[in-house]
Amino acid sequence: KQEVTQIPAALSVPEGENLVLNCSFTDSAIYNLQWFRQDPGKGLTSLLLIQSSQREQTSGRLNASLDKSSGRSTLYIAASQPGDSATYLCAVDAGNMLTFGGGTRLMVKP
Amino acid sequence: GAVVSQHPSWVICKSGTSVKIECRSLDFQATTMFWYRQFPKQSLMLMATSNEGSKATYEQGVEKDKFLINHASLTLSTLTVTSAHPEDSSFYICSARVGEGYNEQFFGPGTRLTVL
Repeated sequence: KQEVTQIPAALSVPEGENLVLNCSFTDSAIYNLQWFRQDPGKGLTSLLLIQSSQREQTSGRLNASLDKSSGRSTLYIAASQPGDSATYLCAVDAGNMLTFGGGTRLMVKP
Repeated sequence: GAVVSQHPSWVICKSGTSVKIECRSLDFQATTMFWYRQFPKQSLMLMATSNEGSKATYEQGVEKDKFLINHASLTLSTLTVTSAHPEDSSFYICSARVGEGYNEQFFGPGTRLTVL
């Protein structure tokens, strides 16, 4: 059974810092990995999707990497802003379902 | 991009009543739709997978007689919470997959259910 773990569970940083969120998964037989953002009481916003054949994806200040063989992905956020405060979720797709990690609650302080 | 809507966005009901939540893919046909539940400060847990025209596949521990799922068309799936109880209060999120295979899932905005 696929298990997805995100570390840290919570993170508080001052504005402007670069930061890294970690995601690990137990079964490397995945089709893709996706990073989402969730604001309190809201649905999911897809940030980046990395296919299993890819090593990384970039969108603006966000960069996600994938090392399928070691079961790890990282989400790098450059020059963090207070508006980045949210919960970040990673999810792996093994073909028939998404398995989500527990999320990292990020607070960026002005 | 692909858009998925949910209705209602929030609902409050009395214990013992039934509540129906709709999930629609607005600009694409979704062969498969998924229903997730999210309790406060927890992650999303898959409840069931719904394929158009066939019975839903429920995850272990999810009562299929309590959470009725209907996927009558390629753009609409419904989740009915029957005889709702306070412990069913949660955030319900649906997603839809474009076409066949293992393509990206697109998520709805969620429905907040509160059972009094």
